[in-house]
Amino acid sequence: SAVISQKPSRDICQRGTSLTIQCQVDSQVTMMFWYRQQPGQSLTLIATANQGSEATYESGFVIDKFPISRPNLTFSTLTVSNMSPEDSSIYLCSVVLWQSVDGYTFGSGTRLTVV
Amino acid sequence: DAKTTQPPSMDCAEGRAANLPCNHSTISGNEYVYWYRQIHSQGPQYIIHGLKNNETNEMASLIITEDRKSSTLILPHATLRDTAVYYCIVRVNFGNEKLTFGTGTRLTIIP
Repeated sequence: SAVISQKPSRDICQRGTSLTIQCQVDSQVTMMFWYRQQPGQSLTLIATANQGSEATYESGFVIDKFPISRPNLTFSTLTVSNMSPEDSSIYLCSVVLWQSVDGYTFGSGTRLTVV
Repeated sequence: DAKTTQPPSMDCAEGRAANLPCNHSTISGNEYVYWYRQIHSQGPQYIIHGLKNNETNEMASLIITEDRKSSTLILPHATLRDTAVYYCIVRVNFGNEKLTFGTGTRLTIIP
């Protein structure tokens, strides 16, 4: 399975600012995803990060709020823009290897607190 | 992806078998049953998956009913480290499909 390095692991940010989260994978993967987990809730998919093209966003998530980049097969970033306290969540990167037996691998997440 | 139904919480005594049920009555013929768990403050971890036959690995066993409308994840000898939220997910096994998480079962292992 792939090893994911997600940075930062946690941050406390002021409202109105932006934070960029990085996801680095140790091998080339076919798919990369970004999830949000609000306090006490399950995981919700934000978007699929597409290599070399615009991300595919799920209903309720927009590019202006959560711009995503994926310049190559092993790296992606998620930016949380113009943050408010409601954006306080854990943000997780997930990847899948082609025909991987064990499915998806998740990063350890970024715990974001907006004050 | 088909939806799943799981009990919100369960307790299990340490050393006993933990049996976690999942209903997936609308599962399609090409959809697999996957189980993941999320230990507090960590990303979800793959446990096991299956199509129609029962499966076993070093972590757990997966029992799927003959009609495939439900399944049970079995942790044979639960330890305190198995305390986590367990998610049952059904999806096609093409490797490129997004995972849709339900609410899961919060399993607490009691000393």
